Amino acid sequence: QITLKESGPTLVRPTQTLTLTCTVSGFSLSTSGVGVSWIRQPPGKALEWLALVYWDDDKRYSPSLKSRLTITKDTSKNQVVLTVTNVGPVDTATYYCAYQYYTGSEFDSWGQGALVTVSS
Amino acid sequence: DIQMTQSPSSLSASVGDRVTITCRASQSISNYLNWYQQKPGKAPKVLIYAASSLQSGVPSRFSGSGSGTAFTLTISSLQPEDFATYYCQQSDTTPFTFGPGTKVDIK
Repeated sequence: QITLKESGPTLVRPTQTLTLTCTVSGFSLSTSGVGVSWIRQPPGKALEWLALVYWDDDKRYSPSLKSRLTITKDTSKNQVVLTVTNVGPVDTATYYCAYQYYTGSEFDSWGQGALVTVSS
Repeated sequence: DIQMTQSPSSLSASVGDRVTITCRASQSISNYLNWYQQKPGKAPKVLIYAASSLQSGVPSRFSGSGSGTAFTLTISSLQPEDFATYYCQQSDTTPFTFGPGTKVDIK
């Protein structure tokens, strides 16, 4: 059974750096074709894809946020980490990590989501 | 970036109604189109992948069709548990993009 679970702070101050961790089980981050993405959803709004790391460490980012995002993976810890620098109120959202089993596939499994509020 | 649009943005329907939601891509994405259902406070759940393939465990009243730039999600007979928001998403090219969503509520 594939599971993903997001963890991180619930409250972040403006201009700080947000670090979120996705801990996965039921698959290996080194299995050929596998990818893990971060997706966010501001309250009452639509889903927004942020970043993706593939099994071979290929990384992709949303062009509009690329300068502020970093995605990394630690295969030995079964974790994918997203950092967002210089956060502001517009970054308030539920952040999800999601699994793809090959390039171009659907987001087959999702974490439960982590609500992050940016406020002073 | 590939832009995704959906119509309608919301609809009211009754149990037993046939419901159709349309999704369009700003350029051809072949069949790299997926549909998700999201209920309040929950993560999205995939219903249809590769435009027309039913995800395991999803009721057969859900179906998808289309290719290229135009796609549809159909619910043949709306059930009480189907009241939710539906999103299309293209997985052809990064940045992956979602449609703005269609909220289906009770008439």
